[in-house]
Amino acid sequence: AQSVAQPEDQVNVAEGNPLTVKCTYSVSGNPYLFWYVQYPNRGLQFLLKYITGDNLVKGSYGFEAEFNKSQTSFHLKKPSALVSDSALYFCAVRSGTYKYIFGTGTRLKVLA
Amino acid sequence: NAGVTQTPKFQVLKTGQSMTLQCAQDMNHEYMSWYRQDPGMGLRLIHYSVGAGITDQGEVPNGYNVSRSTTEDFPLRLLSAAPSQTSVYFCASSWTSGEYNEQFFGPGTRLTVL
Repeated sequence: AQSVAQPEDQVNVAEGNPLTVKCTYSVSGNPYLFWYVQYPNRGLQFLLKYITGDNLVKGSYGFEAEFNKSQTSFHLKKPSALVSDSALYFCAVRSGTYKYIFGTGTRLKVLA
Repeated sequence: NAGVTQTPKFQVLKTGQSMTLQCAQDMNHEYMSWYRQDPGMGLRLIHYSVGAGITDQGEVPNGYNVSRSTTEDFPLRLLSAAPSQTSVYFCASSWTSGEYNEQFFGPGTRLTVL
């Protein structure tokens, strides 16, 4: 069965510092991996995805993620956090079917 | 381009009432889906569709029905509302091809069942 784990409910980071939001997954077959962001009282917005190719994927707003097949991880990173990055972040996975599985979300708080 | 639209934004129901949450997209996407978002649970897939006339169950389909008569519309029906269906509901759409399959989400419907 497919599953996604986001082990941290909340991540706090100081503005200007690098940030990492963790995601691990379990699927059979090759995974499609996604990161979405949700601001208060809004729908989710797509940040980036891994389908195939380079393990380092670059996305919107300066975010990037590294696909690690051996560790079954897809951690979201940003070199320098902004206060405006504070939001709820979701990792999602899809395998051969059209069923997407989302993680429980990680709240990122960037402190000024 | 309106993207994905959902109506209503808010709804309060009594236990046992039925209602339909509306979802429409104007991007000609084949794939449409419904999720519910509950605290600590993330998003859970209720039903999805890969084209007009084709629907399938997701992770939590019980108590919900869907149909897809057109590419644009994908309504979600609550047959007999229960307090456990209190949640925020999101509709999403995307292409089905591998390279362009990121989902576009609507603004959500906040449903309370008393």
